[in-house]
Amino acid sequence: SQTIHQWPATLVQPVGSPLSLECTVEGTSNPNLYWYRQAAGRGLQLLFYSVGIGQISSEVPQNLSASRPQDRQFILSSKKLLLSDSGFYLCAWSTPGQGSRNTIYFGEGSWLTVV
Amino acid sequence: KNEVEQSPQNLTAQEGEFITINCSYSVGISALHWLQQHPGGGIVSLFMLSSGKKKHGRLIATINIQEKHSSLHITASHPRDSAVYICAVRSNTGNQFYFGTGTSLTVIP
Repeated sequence: SQTIHQWPATLVQPVGSPLSLECTVEGTSNPNLYWYRQAAGRGLQLLFYSVGIGQISSEVPQNLSASRPQDRQFILSSKKLLLSDSGFYLCAWSTPGQGSRNTIYFGEGSWLTVV
Repeated sequence: KNEVEQSPQNLTAQEGEFITINCSYSVGISALHWLQQHPGGGIVSLFMLSSGKKKHGRLIATINIQEKHSSLHITASHPRDSAVYICAVRSNTGNQFYFGTGTSLTVIP
């Protein structure tokens, strides 16, 4: 069966420090991968998505970057965190293509507090 | 304007009540999803719909493609149903999903 793991679950980082959140998927190949941020009272905001190794699409200009070094690994990074980067980050995956059976699966989420 | 609009934003119900959450969308979709997010943050998929109606236990989801509208119903609500319910659609022109802002449901014993 397919599973998705995301870590760390929580972290507190000082302003200006680097960030690395990692997400891995098991049990499937060539998934579409997504990073979302969820702010309080707001919907999920798409940050990045990837349809293959090394293929990253960015949806919003920001202080963050993403990489996909392996087929089932997706990493969210920052060189210097800002206070406004605080929030709840979710990794997700879906099967590629437009089939009506393609659902989306979420990781457990990572709570980031920048102090 | 958001691609997906949900209502109500917050909902409080007495245990046993019938609950309805509504979702409207403005883009072409290949499927609509109802998701459940518990206080810890994890999100699970409840339903994926492309037409008609689906039922899982006390939960029922319907979709009207012509009207671009979906509803999630909970019959005989229970305190364990308390969570945020999120409507999401998958675009039929790419790999993107669009999400509503969620409905926070609290069921009081």
